[in-house]
Amino acid sequence: GAGVSQSPSNKVTEKGKDVELRCDPISGHTALYWYRQRLGQGLEFLIYFQGNSAPDKSGLPSDRFSAERTGESVSTLTIQRTQQEDSAVYLCASSLIYQNQPQHFGDGTRLSIL
Amino acid sequence: GNSVTQMEGPVTLSEEAFLTINCTYTATGYPSLFWYVQYPGEGLQLLLKATKADDKGSNKGFEATYRKETTSFHLEKGSVQVSDSAVYFCALSVSFGNEKLTFGTGTRLTIIP
Repeated sequence: GAGVSQSPSNKVTEKGKDVELRCDPISGHTALYWYRQRLGQGLEFLIYFQGNSAPDKSGLPSDRFSAERTGESVSTLTIQRTQQEDSAVYLCASSLIYQNQPQHFGDGTRLSIL
Repeated sequence: GNSVTQMEGPVTLSEEAFLTINCTYTATGYPSLFWYVQYPGEGLQLLLKATKADDKGSNKGFEATYRKETTSFHLEKGSVQVSDSAVYFCALSVSFGNEKLTFGTGTRLTIIP
């Protein structure tokens, strides 16, 4: 597609449920990033993929969070046993692998935990 | 660790006013610096960037100069328009090969006619 696509755009779920968030990066972009934006705060880095490997998972807040990527394509961020503090906008970005290439962001998934 | 501090918002200006949004950073190594913008109802997009000291990034009338001595990257525009109303984020990245961004908290700018 023309840009980074994320789905769903909105997700409301009950505390304790598992959720899956999907990201379709721009075709040919080897690098893929997940960020989280809590209300009134800046974006926090979660995880970085280079191809289908994740050399940097340092931003994942707990072991309830995991992510995978198929080749240089779709990525899924999974949150297990959701908590209210997981409520946020989850943003995905992709870029070429060369130095200082701009990251292209999707519109995000707004996750609300009741 | 790396961090970005930017001017608290919200900022409200009249059309044609001069804009400055302050941004300072702390980083290990030699960061690249960015301004991202999020217009109402749209996704985050790159506005401008600078990759080394004294570089000036510019786009759409906005400018920012990478000042290593003051660890700053202030965003400026000489004459703002209503269409500039948006949330502006200052950010940095440090490592080649993993260019994860460290963001400031964002500054909401509203321009009134």
